[in-house]
Amino acid sequence: QVRLQESGPGLVKPSETVSLTCTVSGYSISSGYYWGWIRQPPGKGLEWIGSIYHSGSTYDNPSLKSRVRLSVDTSKNHFSLRLSSVTAADTAVYYCATVSGAAPGTYTHFDSWGQGTLVTVSS
Amino acid sequence: DIQMTQSPSTLSASVGDRVTITCRASQYISSWLAWYQQKPGKAPKLLISDASSLESGVPSRFSGSGSGTEFTLTISSLQPDDFATYYCQVYNSFSWTFGQGTKVEIK
Repeated sequence: QVRLQESGPGLVKPSETVSLTCTVSGYSISSGYYWGWIRQPPGKGLEWIGSIYHSGSTYDNPSLKSRVRLSVDTSKNHFSLRLSSVTAADTAVYYCATVSGAAPGTYTHFDSWGQGTLVTVSS
Repeated sequence: DIQMTQSPSTLSASVGDRVTITCRASQYISSWLAWYQQKPGKAPKLLISDASSLESGVPSRFSGSGSGTEFTLTISSLQPDDFATYYCQVYNSFSWTFGQGTKVEIK
């Protein structure tokens, strides 16, 4: 059973870059899946941030205006998110998740999730 | 980009009620729609994928239907554990979009 655990700084200053890592256990990142990041501002809905394959192929949400950088480290079995030029609007719980699908080679939904980590942007 | 319209935003219901939540996509998405349940302070839980495929361990009172642009999540007989917020999510060409959410409250 795949398990995911997010880690990060908790508090970031405006205009800085926040770096989050998702450590995967029970499954090798190199074996498949896309790996995704989703966030949820306090009291609001879910927003997809980006997804990455073990090969390094990435997709991110255009609404984040190229502030997103995704990476994967198969040797450490983890993947990471860097979000630059943060503002208060980036305050949210950040989740990592597996992206999978019913048919081989499809990646349509998020089936295993981490518990989430709160990132607060404040001076 | 595909826009998702989920309704209602809030739903008040009683234990035993039949509950229906709808998601409409701004363009055709085949059946690549999933439904999630989220409780306060917890990560979302996948209930249904591919519009109507119930995930393992999810009670059979949950069902999903629809294709194309209109999709429905139905809870046939609401139970106390079902009071939560529900989200739909669509996939299209390596872009994943969530609906705004529906909070199911106790009437």
